[in-house]
Amino acid sequence: DVKVTQSSRYLVKRTGEKVFLECVQDMDHENMFWYRQDPGLGLRLIYFSYDVKMKEKGDIPEGYSVSREKKERFSLILESASTNQTSMYLCASSTITNEQYFGPGTRLTVT
Amino acid sequence: QKEVEQNSGPLSVPEGAIASLNCTYSDRGSQSFFWYRQYSGKSPELIMSIYSNGDKEDGRFTAQLNKASQYVSLLIRDSQPSDSATYLCAVRVGRGSTLGRLYFGRGTQLTVWP
Repeated sequence: DVKVTQSSRYLVKRTGEKVFLECVQDMDHENMFWYRQDPGLGLRLIYFSYDVKMKEKGDIPEGYSVSREKKERFSLILESASTNQTSMYLCASSTITNEQYFGPGTRLTVT
Repeated sequence: QKEVEQNSGPLSVPEGAIASLNCTYSDRGSQSFFWYRQYSGKSPELIMSIYSNGDKEDGRFTAQLNKASQYVSLLIRDSQPSDSATYLCAVRVGRGSTLGRLYFGRGTQLTVWP
């Protein structure tokens, strides 16, 4: 079974803090993704990575950065958290046939 | 812009009925198609993938793909209350640097009542 884990289920941070969200997959997948999901807006792609140290911007990269130093780990960084970044953050990894498997999600609240 | 549209919900069906979920996509280069189920407060779970025209069956679920008409559908037979969830359609367009990313619809909420 594919296993994608995320470092926290719930996180509360203050405005201006630097926030790290970690994602680990155990299936040797090449591609990894970060999304945020908000009511009425659906899933929106923030960044994705198709190889170690490679990254591509998704549809809403502003205010975020990513790091992929090892194949199994993909980190999302909020450089200076703002209240409009309060959201559910979902990490996924995909097979060579592009089936994406999601982690449990991190519900981030920025106060 | 790669658009993926799903029929607006919510959809409500009685237990035992067939639930029909529809999805259309705008890019003719789309190559792979996926259905995800998402329970409230949970992450999306892959339930079906389909790559070629026609029907693909897996238990009570059938995915149907028609590339000429640019639609993909999901039928759930003998619907159960446990099928109540939001269903997301996702499409892959395999060109250039976007290879591998999926485009998701906003989902259709399904309620199966006893």
